[in-house]
Amino acid sequence: NAGVTQTPKFRVLKTGQSMTLLCAQDMNHEYMYWYRQDPGMGLRLIHYSVGEGTTAKGEVPDGYNVSRLKKQNFLLGLESAAPSQTSVYFCASNRGQGQPQHFGDGTRLSIL
Amino acid sequence: RKEVEQDPGPFNVPEGATVAFNCTYSNSASQSFFWYRQDCRKEPKLLMSVYSSGNEDGRFTAQLNRASQYISLLIRDSKLSDSATYLCVVIPEWASWGKLQFGSGTQVVVTP
Repeated sequence: NAGVTQTPKFRVLKTGQSMTLLCAQDMNHEYMYWYRQDPGMGLRLIHYSVGEGTTAKGEVPDGYNVSRLKKQNFLLGLESAAPSQTSVYFCASNRGQGQPQHFGDGTRLSIL
Repeated sequence: RKEVEQDPGPFNVPEGATVAFNCTYSNSASQSFFWYRQDCRKEPKLLMSVYSSGNEDGRFTAQLNRASQYISLLIRDSKLSDSATYLCVVIPEWASWGKLQFGSGTQVVVTP
């Protein structure tokens, strides 16, 4: 089983460029999440979704947008990339409240 | 005060020894607890859930102390492959959308 798949695995952007990170899960999970992780810091929630067509802000949503048009996909967009958004981005999904999350293997994003 | 706190370590452990560390949480109504393992900024992977009565999975033992609001992880007969960062995860009672709270992690280094 693929589980949670993130695309791309690595990317380098210039300041001001835009891009979209794709997360796909094949476990029929209702909930999906985007996190970022920076050196010496824990995972911080950017946005999340509790079902197809829904999105909500997490702890650090500024500079990001998301969409959940299909249950299996959760997209994270950077409209105008900034160096402060250099990070490792993890997508996760779970069946619902109280359930552990399953993570993708991350996207390493560098913004110059 | 952070919602979930962990000693960052590193805990340097000789191969074959036992190591234990705790994670404290601030919300007394927290309902679900997990330990995740993360290697070199790869994706976090679920190690084990933590049950009220305590639970064991091979060389790993997890305990929950609700009175003092902490969970613990004990690793017996440490292997080199146990070297990783261990993330404590708490689901607070008020998290109605399955959001988890992550600690920043405890680094364990097992040495030959």
